[in-house]
Parts: sequence; C-alpha cells; structure tokens
Amino acid sequence: SAVISQKPSRDICQRGTSLTIQCQVDSQVTMMFWYRQQPGQSLTLIATANQGSEATYESGFVIDKFPISRPNLTFSTLTVSNMSPEDSSIYLCSVTSGEDYNEQFFGPGTRLTVL
Amino acid sequence: GQNIDQPTEMTATEGAIVQINCTYQTSGFNGLFWYQQHAGEAPTFLSYNVLDGLEEKGRFSSFLSRSKGYSYLLLKELQMKDSASYLCAALDSNYQLIWGAGTKLIIKP
Repeated sequence: SAVISQKPSRDICQRGTSLTIQCQVDSQVTMMFWYRQQPGQSLTLIATANQGSEATYESGFVIDKFPISRPNLTFSTLTVSNMSPEDSSIYLCSVTSGEDYNEQFFGPGTRLTVL
Repeated sequence: GQNIDQPTEMTATEGAIVQINCTYQTSGFNGLFWYQQHAGEAPTFLSYNVLDGLEEKGRFSSFLSRSKGYSYLLLKELQMKDSASYLCAALDSNYQLIWGAGTKLIIKP
C-alpha cells in the first residue's frame, strides 16, 4: 500500500487569498488525483495530476482556480486561488498504485475554512 | 449518464449483520470499490471487486453482479466502531472513479 501525507492538515484563510496544499507519497505512483469533499457530501474529483504535463480537469473546475503541479512521481500540489467561503471543504489527495487501478488510497485530507 | 445509488442511512444493532446495497450505471466498467469513512477522516479502502461473486475479508464481505450492475457490502458481528459512512465507487472505462453519496451506518447498542 502507499502511504500519503498532506500539508497542511487544516487551515483557516481569508477571502481572496490562496492556499497551496502539498501531497507526498512514499513510493512512485502512476496516477494522482485531487478530490474535494464538502460537508455531508461524497467526493468530487477536481483533476488528475499528470507527471510532466498539465493536469486534466473535471467539468466545473479550471486551472486558473485550481492550479496543480506534479514535478515527479511522488509529489503534487493543489492551489486553491482567490478563495471564497464556497471553497470551504476537505481536499483529498488520492493515488492509484495497482497495475489494474485496483489499489487506490487517500491522504488524510486538508480541512479548509474560508472566512 | 453515470450514476451510483446507495441508501442514505441505515441503522443496525451491535453484534448483528447489515448489508449495504449499491447499484451503478457507468460508461464501461473496471471494478467496484467500497470505502469506509469516519466523520472528519479520509476514506479507507475496504474492498475491490471486478469479477462476479463474493469476496470475504474478515468481518467484511463484498459481492458483485456485473450483469445486474449491483454490489453489496456485508458487515458481520457489528461493532460500535463500524459506525461510519460507507462509500461505493465504480471505476469506468477511463479508469475514473464514479462515487456514490455514501451510506451513513448507525450502530446501536
């Protein structure tokens, strides 16, 4: 299994500012994903972080708002830009390491509150 | 469209057995996951099924019927710590996970 860490674990931010969330994996992984989970709801995929190329964003999410970096096979960042209270959520990094995509693990999450 | 359906909430008694059902409709299919998520924590992987049948793992078992687009998670000998949300997710033809809204399981003494 993959061990995933995220920083920060939580933060309280002011409207209009930006926050960068880091995701570190203890092994090289094929796919890294960024999810958002708002209170009481299921997970929503923001984007797939691709190593060496731009991230692939899901409908409703754009690069200007959620820029993503993936400089290598063990690390990725997600930035939440120009934050508003609607961005208050848990942000989760997830990786898949099985050859058949049958092993998917989550980081502990970053709890973001925007005032 | 792609869709995952599972009950919103279920209640069961400590020591009993509970079955959480999930039906799915996806563009292609590459497997079905079950995750457990305690309040305020990240989801934890429980099981993965890609072939029809029952997979048993301790107190937890997961079943899949591809022809029916149906899965269930069976929890035996329920413990209070099993109180959590259980998320069903299907892997589509693009290897994207399609998530259900989760089933909140309440265990009563």
